[in-house]
Amino acid sequence: SQKIEQNSEALNIQEGKTATLTCNYTNYSPAYLQWYRQDPGRGPVFLLLIRENEKEKRKERLKVTFDTTLKQSLFHITASQPADSATYLCALGDGNKLVFGAGTILRVKS
Amino acid sequence: SQTIHQWPATLVQPVGSPLSLECTVEGTSNPNLYWYRQAAGRGLQLLFYSVGIGQISSEVPQNLSASRPQDRQFILSSKKLLLSDSGFYLCAWSQYQETQYFGPGTRLLVL
Repeated sequence: SQKIEQNSEALNIQEGKTATLTCNYTNYSPAYLQWYRQDPGRGPVFLLLIRENEKEKRKERLKVTFDTTLKQSLFHITASQPADSATYLCALGDGNKLVFGAGTILRVKS
Repeated sequence: SQTIHQWPATLVQPVGSPLSLECTVEGTSNPNLYWYRQAAGRGLQLLFYSVGIGQISSEVPQNLSASRPQDRQFILSSKKLLLSDSGFYLCAWSQYQETQYFGPGTRLLVL
């Protein structure tokens, strides 16, 4: 069956360090993958999109990698700040739809 | 610029009562529209999506229904709410089937 897995436990890191979040999937062949940020009580906000023919994409302090052989995406936040604390969701493109992972909670402590 | 509205923001309803949640989008035409539900601490579950007026695809069989009476209006309904319908309901729109833009959500509590 199709499955998307993100770190089920919260990730706690110190301010200034790099946070790395993982998204693994099985039985999908997505044309693209996206990462969203969700704050408590709010809707998700789009961060980055990476296509299947791209290995890496960057935006300011954010970096996403996409390995279609390993069926994995890594999401990095460099020089993390307490304001980066949120839940981060990965989503796979599936025709007209996105299929979301359950998300990983990131807590950045000062 | 594009804006997406949802209302109400919160709703407390008794079991067995009807439901109507509305979502409207401004600043774009012929968007794809989506309804999701998110249970506490869980991921997003796609309920319905629509690629045009009157075109509704259902992802999960349940006692909810959706309608799209106008290009930029998407409505989620139920004739009789169940306890299990409690959750955070999110509407989203997209163009060209890629990035989705979410509304502020409706928190529904069924008692």
